[in-house]
Amino acid sequence: QVQLVESGGGVVQPGTSLRLSCATSGFSFTTYGFHWVRQAPGKGLEWVAVIWFDGSKTFYTDSVKGRFTISRDDSQRKLYLQMNSLRVEDTAVYYCVTDGGLYNNKWFKFAFDVWGQGTMVAVSS
Amino acid sequence: SDLTQPASVSGSPGQSITISCTGTSSDVGGYNFVSWYQQHPGKAPKLLIYDVSQRPSGVSDRFTGSKSGNTASLTISGLQAADESDYYCNSYTSYNTWVFGGGTRLTVL
Repeated sequence: QVQLVESGGGVVQPGTSLRLSCATSGFSFTTYGFHWVRQAPGKGLEWVAVIWFDGSKTFYTDSVKGRFTISRDDSQRKLYLQMNSLRVEDTAVYYCVTDGGLYNNKWFKFAFDVWGQGTMVAVSS
Repeated sequence: SDLTQPASVSGSPGQSITISCTGTSSDVGGYNFVSWYQQHPGKAPKLLIYDVSQRPSGVSDRFTGSKSGNTASLTISGLQAADESDYYCNSYTSYNTWVFGGGTRLTVL
């Protein structure tokens, strides 16, 4: 059973740092790229970052460039999001998500297939 | 910028509704990487459609995706009470990023 479990969220002050983790199980970790997607309270979904299946490429939404870093540890089957210089507007539930998947014996990419349950990050003074 | 979706749509049980998702030639119009998600309150989103019109295993064939130019659409036929939810479209972009629509609240009357 494919499973993603986020952790590391909490309440922090503006300007501080936090590292989110996503533990995975039930699939071939190194086959997949991963995204972080966030959702502010009462708001819509916002894509945050992606890391390629082999870790060779990472991309970010403009509002987090230079502050957030996505990374992966293939030996631990974990995905991370290092968040520095946190702002009030970063307050959201953060979801770890697989990029693409396999259906009907055909791989697809660039869609968000399996989602974790999310971890809440609240930035407040 | 976010893709443009109607804030809300409604329909009666058994009817069909369509949710539009308008972008630009740099996202929806330029790639067939359009996907749709259903999100019930307090839950993680669920993938409904990928590659414009493909359904993952286990998703009802009442959900249909399509695209024309810079606008993608999600049609839900045979509306059921359980379909009442928030729906989001998403597209890959030419900037190696992804963009969501603002979301559409579906009410089943």
